[in-house]
Amino acid sequence: QKEVEQNSGPLSVPEGAIASLNCTYSDRGSQSFFWYRQYSGKSPELIMSIYSNGDKEDGRFTAQLNKASQYVSLLIRDSQPSDSATYLCAVRAGTYKYIFGTGTRLKVLA
Amino acid sequence: GAGVSQSPRYKVAKRGQDVALRCDPISGHVSLFWYQQALGQGPEFLTYFQNEAQLDKSGLPSDRFFAERPEGSVSTLKIQRTQQEDSAVYLCASSLAAAGGSGNTIYFGEGSWLTVV
Repeated sequence: QKEVEQNSGPLSVPEGAIASLNCTYSDRGSQSFFWYRQYSGKSPELIMSIYSNGDKEDGRFTAQLNKASQYVSLLIRDSQPSDSATYLCAVRAGTYKYIFGTGTRLKVLA
Repeated sequence: GAGVSQSPRYKVAKRGQDVALRCDPISGHVSLFWYQQALGQGPEFLTYFQNEAQLDKSGLPSDRFFAERPEGSVSTLKIQRTQQEDSAVYLCASSLAAAGGSGNTIYFGEGSWLTVV
């Protein structure tokens, strides 16, 4: 079992819809969780970080964390074609090592 | 500079050639990471530096891979006798604080794209 699992997609949603991206992790002791966006040929850029159970909202993005279920999700409201990218879930293991999932490719259709 | 800078951006190496990839972290950043990202995969951890100390090199795939950060700022990842399976993007990242604690965001460079032919 991979330490951080994501569906590779592609996940296709129409413009204006909500995109829901999911991630599960295996280390029950993990405390820090991150969502990165990566455009093709570019480096990952941080969108959200979340450390506590529940929801955290930032503009059109909401991160949700459920430590009991070892599950992190990212919701993108009012999806735009410019949101089309690969979304990487990352979990910090120990004090410094960030473990990434393989990413979910999102396509927002105009 | 404003961000993490990596060079070269693109490198084509013949199998067996040695390569050196450079990373200039954000000024003042204590932590520096190297990741390897193969096509269609997420970044895989290679090694971690806190200032000049290499605290973890558990992700380096073989003894052909070597990283250093002698003065606690610029870092070099060296790959000896390159093989085709070394073809990947090598991402450098840095963060302001030493390891540990929440809120320690890591910032990635644009990556060095290595193709071994």
